[in-house]
Amino acid sequence: GNSVTQMEGPVTLSEEAFLTINCTYTATGYPSLFWYVQYPGEGLQLLLKATKADDKGSNKGFEATYRKETTSFHLEKGSVQVSDSAVYFCALEGSNYQLIWGAGTKLIIKP
Amino acid sequence: DTGVSQNPRHKITKRGQNVTFRCDPISEHNRLYWYRQTLGQGPEFLTYFQNEAQLEKSRLLSDRFSAERPKGSFSTLEIQRTEQGDSAMYLCATEASGVSYNEQFFGPGTRLTVL
Repeated sequence: GNSVTQMEGPVTLSEEAFLTINCTYTATGYPSLFWYVQYPGEGLQLLLKATKADDKGSNKGFEATYRKETTSFHLEKGSVQVSDSAVYFCALEGSNYQLIWGAGTKLIIKP
Repeated sequence: DTGVSQNPRHKITKRGQNVTFRCDPISEHNRLYWYRQTLGQGPEFLTYFQNEAQLEKSRLLSDRFSAERPKGSFSTLEIQRTEQGDSAMYLCATEASGVSYNEQFFGPGTRLTVL
């Protein structure tokens, strides 16, 4: 069945460091892929998405490229800020549009 | 407020009691989803409505769980004879349809604690 695996956290970085959070998936076909973010005390919100192979999603300085060859959708940001501290979830779209989620990666940015 | 709302935000109950949660979607969003999230895990899909029709239920949704969406507006999720293993955050998400993909908007969740 469909599944998502993302790197375990927490990931701790200093401000202005380069960020990569790995996400790989197993799926039938080529589902849409997403990154959601959950800031402390807030609900889940969509960060970026890609709907087909080689698409690059981007938002707020974050990017992720849909790689069907490696079944990956890694999240990257060139220079992180303290305000990026949150839990990041990778997800794919299953049948009937529901989302199938990774376990989440907690990101801690130190000033 | 035009976001997805959920009530109550927190619920503490004793094992064996019934609980009901409510989700009010964004107006005109005809897809509605329920997910469950436990600490340190990603959400798990429970069930999905297109308007008032419940189109899919996860095998996670035991017979003790029932969901409704009368008239395709708000939705309720009821858990009967709660068990300690039901303790989790219950999330509602809604989405417009009509194109191949739209964004799912999440409510703040209802945190259930079963004592």
